[in-house]
Amino acid sequence: EIVLTQSPGTLSLSPGERATLSCRASQSVSSSYFAWYQQKPGQAPRLLIYDASSRATGIPDRFSGSGSGTEFTLTISRLEPEDFAVYYCQHYGSSPQVTFGQGTRLEIK
Amino acid sequence: QVQLVESGGGLVKPGGSLRLSCAVSRFTFSDYYMSWIRQAPGKGLEWVSYISGSGTTMYYADSVKGRFTISRDNSKNSLYLQMNSLRADDTAVYYCARDRGFHDYWGQGTLVTVSS
Repeated sequence: EIVLTQSPGTLSLSPGERATLSCRASQSVSSSYFAWYQQKPGQAPRLLIYDASSRATGIPDRFSGSGSGTEFTLTISRLEPEDFAVYYCQHYGSSPQVTFGQGTRLEIK
Repeated sequence: QVQLVESGGGLVKPGGSLRLSCAVSRFTFSDYYMSWIRQAPGKGLEWVSYISGSGTTMYYADSVKGRFTISRDNSKNSLYLQMNSLRADDTAVYYCARDRGFHDYWGQGTLVTVSS
């Protein structure tokens, strides 16, 4: 089973700054099968990125995904107030089981 | 606008059973895998189960295998999760989600609380 470890656990930044969130897989995975989600309190997760770098419908272009092998990154180029939330990574495709990272909380500094 | 609406959550005693439902609309339900994903209070996301569009293939997380059963009725555009032998650590918000490997549409969730 592939384990996903997200870092940092909490990231404190100010609006306008650049955010870089990381997700490390316990073994090399196909870079095509990686997703990122945003979750705000009391809401369901929202898909941001799929297939490692494709933005979901309606997602602003300040969100971008990259990575390969065991290291994947979500970058928010310039933080807006509504971007402060919890972010989860997910790998899919390599086994029947589905795995999520434990989450990174992005908070206002 | 794609919609997924869960129902059936509530308070149940340890060892009890509950059946969750997810009604979907505005997409061809039978064309897609569907998943149940849960989130314990203050915790992260945990995938529970998924089912193929035809309903013939199902997979479960080890934590629920043998206790939970996923099913679907394509004529009713509905997804189900039968939960038996519930334990305190099954307490969570349960989401249904459209499954393309990634999960592009989610319901609002239904809370299941297992407590005596």
